[in-house]
Amino acid sequence: EIVLTQSPGTLSLSPGERATLSCRASQTVSGSYLAWYQQTPGQAPRLLIYGASRRATGIPDRFSGSGSGTDFTLTISRLEPEDFAVYHCQQYGNPPWTFGQGTKVEIK
Amino acid sequence: EVQLLESGGGLVQPGGSLRLSCAVSGFTFSNYAMNWVRQAPGKGLEWVSAIGGSGDDTNYGDSVKGRFTISRDNSKNTLYLQMNSLRAEDTAVYYCARDLARYNSGCFDYWGPGTLVTVSS
Repeated sequence: EIVLTQSPGTLSLSPGERATLSCRASQTVSGSYLAWYQQTPGQAPRLLIYGASRRATGIPDRFSGSGSGTDFTLTISRLEPEDFAVYHCQQYGNPPWTFGQGTKVEIK
Repeated sequence: EVQLLESGGGLVQPGGSLRLSCAVSGFTFSNYAMNWVRQAPGKGLEWVSAIGGSGDDTNYGDSVKGRFTISRDNSKNTLYLQMNSLRAEDTAVYYCARDLARYNSGCFDYWGPGTLVTVSS
């Protein structure tokens, strides 16, 4: 199975700053089938990005995804207070579908 | 409005069984594959199982294969997960999640709030 490694584990930033989150796969993700989810404490995950770079319905354009092969990035251009959360990457190109361990974006 | 609501979680002894349900509304249930994803306390997400829109295509993660069974009743707009031979490591919040497509694409666009399963003596 494909192992996804997210870095950093925790990102400490201030509102208005830019956040760059990394997700590296142990092997090529077929079709760039890579998704990003946001999860706030006690809540279910929310789909942000799929197909590596396509924003899900209703997701603000400050969220963007990029990458292919084994290296993917989620960028939040200017952090809003509601963006402080845990972000999970997931590959769905090669079953079994697998997730990274998550990156926590916290307020500095 | 798309809504998913899980039920059936609780405390169960090791070796026991539990059946989870997920009632959905706000979309044509049979047009979408459905999934179960779990999250152990303080841990990351783990995909558990998937079922196609018509119910004839099922997949399982290695950790639950042979113990868990996914099913759906399209007439009742409900997804199920039958969990047998439960182990302590199955303790987690179990989420029901809608697939983007009718087939098992593996990408999940709507999630329920989850139901907690605790396996302990």
